[in-house]
Amino acid sequence: SQQGEEDPQALSIQEGENATMNCSYKTSINNLQWYRQNSGRGLVHLILIRSNEREKHSGRLRVTLDTSKKSSSLLITASRAADTASYFCATAQGTDKLIFGTGTRLQVFP
Amino acid sequence: EPEVTQTPSHQVTQMGQEVILRCVPISNHLYFYWYRQILGQKVEFLVSFYNNEISEKSEIFDDQFSVERPDGSNFTLKIRSTKLEDSAMYFCARAGTSGRGAYNEQFFGPGTRLTVL
Repeated sequence: SQQGEEDPQALSIQEGENATMNCSYKTSINNLQWYRQNSGRGLVHLILIRSNEREKHSGRLRVTLDTSKKSSSLLITASRAADTASYFCATAQGTDKLIFGTGTRLQVFP
Repeated sequence: EPEVTQTPSHQVTQMGQEVILRCVPISNHLYFYWYRQILGQKVEFLVSFYNNEISEKSEIFDDQFSVERPDGSNFTLKIRSTKLEDSAMYFCARAGTSGRGAYNEQFFGPGTRLTVL
């Protein structure tokens, strides 16, 4: 499989529920980043976690990183309809490029 | 932090034609990137540009592609002879103020949708 695979591919929840998305990768990384993309729009940077960090918070977002398992998770707590978007993880491996995953499409119903 | 702006928002062209996509970052940034996203697929790295030179490029970035910063402000991606498979969203990004994008966050523009007929 490829670097940066998210699961699930799609997730539907009700407002107020928590949403958890997972990302797995293959090679060692400098950092892992999560981005949001609304339909047909640009990518919005959400959070960056470095390889020596295990957990990071930003508002309603919580990101974990397990380098031994080469995986990360993004938790959105108390979801809102406005959180409806695609979420991508991207890994930085020491060069300039980010390698993006396949994304999770999140639908939050009001 | 503010993002970059991109023009045009949508470009329609005939196969074989040249297109130039523009990115307008804040002038004092040094690291820029182009990515593309074919409809329904993942975002793919094309090229990184530092201090007016290409620092890294992917296998997608073949001889049909070129980048430059002609006036020290606009950052352009040129596709010399477009193919149907070049149809995609093209995103420009800049590194965060803390430095190089692979070690820090990247800030993306809204994208240019390129349609090749």
